[in-house]
Amino acid sequence: ETGVTQTPRHLVMGMTNKKSLKCEQHLGHNAMYWYKQSAKKPLELMFVYNFKEQTENNSVPSRFSPECPNSSHLFLHLHTLQPEDSALYLCASSRFGRGQGGREQYFGPGTRLTVT
Amino acid sequence: GESVGLHLPTLSVQEGDNSIINCAYSNSASDYFIWYKQESGKGPQFIIDIRSNMDKRQGQRVTVLLNKTVKHLSLQIAATQPGDSAVYFCAEISETSGSRLTFGEGTQLTVNP
Repeated sequence: ETGVTQTPRHLVMGMTNKKSLKCEQHLGHNAMYWYKQSAKKPLELMFVYNFKEQTENNSVPSRFSPECPNSSHLFLHLHTLQPEDSALYLCASSRFGRGQGGREQYFGPGTRLTVT
Repeated sequence: GESVGLHLPTLSVQEGDNSIINCAYSNSASDYFIWYKQESGKGPQFIIDIRSNMDKRQGQRVTVLLNKTVKHLSLQIAATQPGDSAVYFCAEISETSGSRLTFGEGTQLTVNP
């Protein structure tokens, strides 16, 4: 499989559930990202990992917890979410995550999350 | 804060016509401006970028123009095809923001046969 893959593609969860989103990139990149895409709003950067180290947390609530065990895998652990967290969650990767190296990012298809 | 924004949320063109998608930005310190395309059910896809010290860059059927005087960016698509139907986002990145891409809201391009 090539590119950036995300699982699951769709997820419905209650506010008391715990679930995880998975992202895998097969491009040999060193940086990985989580974005939130809501209707009528620009993509919102959530987290950045560069060589497995978290380099950015864009004031994301603690109910979202990222994990990057290696440069190819990225997880987003979810717990006690709110209905307003319903959105498309996109994972991306780039060759480098510093300076301008992150301008060409490769995105996965996203996970459509619905919180009930 | 800094922002990038698009002038029109939707644009409809006839197949074969040229399309122009516009974007305004506010960050004078941007190093690169980038265009992404997002087709239905897919993640955004990199199209082309332009360094801030340039005013024009051409790719395959696409041209990006940068006017730093008025802080305006445009994407021109020549001979628009049905496969070009998608949401187009402009984005900017600056050295001071590290790897943070700041995206605009997107323009939905619809190509009519």
